[in-house]
Amino acid sequence: GENVEQHPSTLSVQEGDSAVIKCTYSDSASNYFPWYKQELGKRPQLIIDIRSNVGEKKDQRIAVTLNKTAKHFSLHITETQPEDSAVYFCAAPAGGGGADGLTFGKGTHLIIQP
Amino acid sequence: NAGVMQNPRHLVRRRGQEARLRCSPMKGHSHVYWYRQLPEEGLKFMVYLQKENIIDESGMPKERFSAEFPKEGPSILRIQQVVRGDSAAYFCASSPQGTSGNTIYFGEGSWLTVV
Repeated sequence: GENVEQHPSTLSVQEGDSAVIKCTYSDSASNYFPWYKQELGKRPQLIIDIRSNVGEKKDQRIAVTLNKTAKHFSLHITETQPEDSAVYFCAAPAGGGGADGLTFGKGTHLIIQP
Repeated sequence: NAGVMQNPRHLVRRRGQEARLRCSPMKGHSHVYWYRQLPEEGLKFMVYLQKENIIDESGMPKERFSAEFPKEGPSILRIQQVVRGDSAAYFCASSPQGTSGNTIYFGEGSWLTVV
């Protein structure tokens, strides 16, 4: 099955600076890479995703990049704001290109310092 | 369009009791996934179901845990003879098809506390 590694486990940045979270995956057949944001006591919510036919996707202050050769993908948040503080999870299909759930990274606790 | 509905949101059980957690997927979704999240930890896959079928239960403990998704009604995650280590948030998610390129949407979670 798929193995997803996520770094760093904790990231503290000054408000207004950029934050980058990185993930690697093991199965070259994986074709879909979502990112979820989870606030304390709440459910994980999808914030952006990327499919393997593109290398980058942007949505306002959030972007995701994918390097299929190296099997890694990254979340970029620019002009960080206090409401960006949360735990962020990356994920990949558990069965590579199959249809049996998502395997998640262990999460990154993003702290935005005022 | 209601999202993924889970109940109860919070459940307290004494050691040895049974816990039943329910999940109704989003309208039009026929695939259901259960995840467990321990405090300060990530999301661990437990089981993947379609209507009347368990597709993948590789993440589910072999004993005391079971899941079903009947033809009618919600999916149910059942934990028998609960122990303190079962205390966690249990999230259900659904998708219209398998996750090969499809988004899964999470419910609000059921927080189980075993005392």
